[in-house]
Amino acid sequence: QKEVEQDPGPLSVPEGAIVSLNCTYSNSAFQYFMWYRQYSRKGPELLMYTYSSGNKEDGRFTAQVDKSSKYISLFIRDSQPSDSATYLCAMNGGSNYKLTFGKGTLLTVNP
Amino acid sequence: NAGVTQTPKFRILKIGQSMTLQCTQDMNHNYMYWYRQDPGMGLKLIYYSVGAGITDKGEVPNGYNVSRSTTEDFPLRLELAAPSQTSVYFCASSREGNTIYFGEGSWLTVV
Repeated sequence: QKEVEQDPGPLSVPEGAIVSLNCTYSNSAFQYFMWYRQYSRKGPELLMYTYSSGNKEDGRFTAQVDKSSKYISLFIRDSQPSDSATYLCAMNGGSNYKLTFGKGTLLTVNP
Repeated sequence: NAGVTQTPKFRILKIGQSMTLQCTQDMNHNYMYWYRQDPGMGLKLIYYSVGAGITDKGEVPNGYNVSRSTTEDFPLRLELAAPSQTSVYFCASSREGNTIYFGEGSWLTVV
């Protein structure tokens, strides 16, 4: 079983839709959870950062962590064409400064 | 507001040649990383450093070398380039090891 699983998509939605992106993981030591956004031919940029379980909201973006199910999600409300990118989940155990990344989900938001 | 700066952005190498990818950060981060990203394979950690003078191997270190003589700089050396090293390379840095910040990437083709 891979440490982090992420559906690669591609995912195509109309503008204004609610998007749900997900990752599952197997290592119960993971405590820090991140979402990165990567535009084509650019480096990944940090989008959301959460510690342990719970929700975190930032504008149109909401990150959820369910440690009991080893499942994390990123929700994008009122999606825009500018949200079209690859979204990568990442996580680590706190005492380990190396992140484990999912392979990324390619999202396209159509005008 | 430079952040993590990588050079060169694009490079074509012949098999057997050597080169160095340069990386510098101006955020006074202790942790620095080199990743490679191949289509459908996600980000793979090549080498990382937790501070000046300290480096360690990641998942895919073969064919690469690094050094960390200063906090700011973390060059990646490719010796005897092979077609398997054709990839996009990202340098990254982190203050505390959980949230990391990426450079814009270096596209390398070995022919």
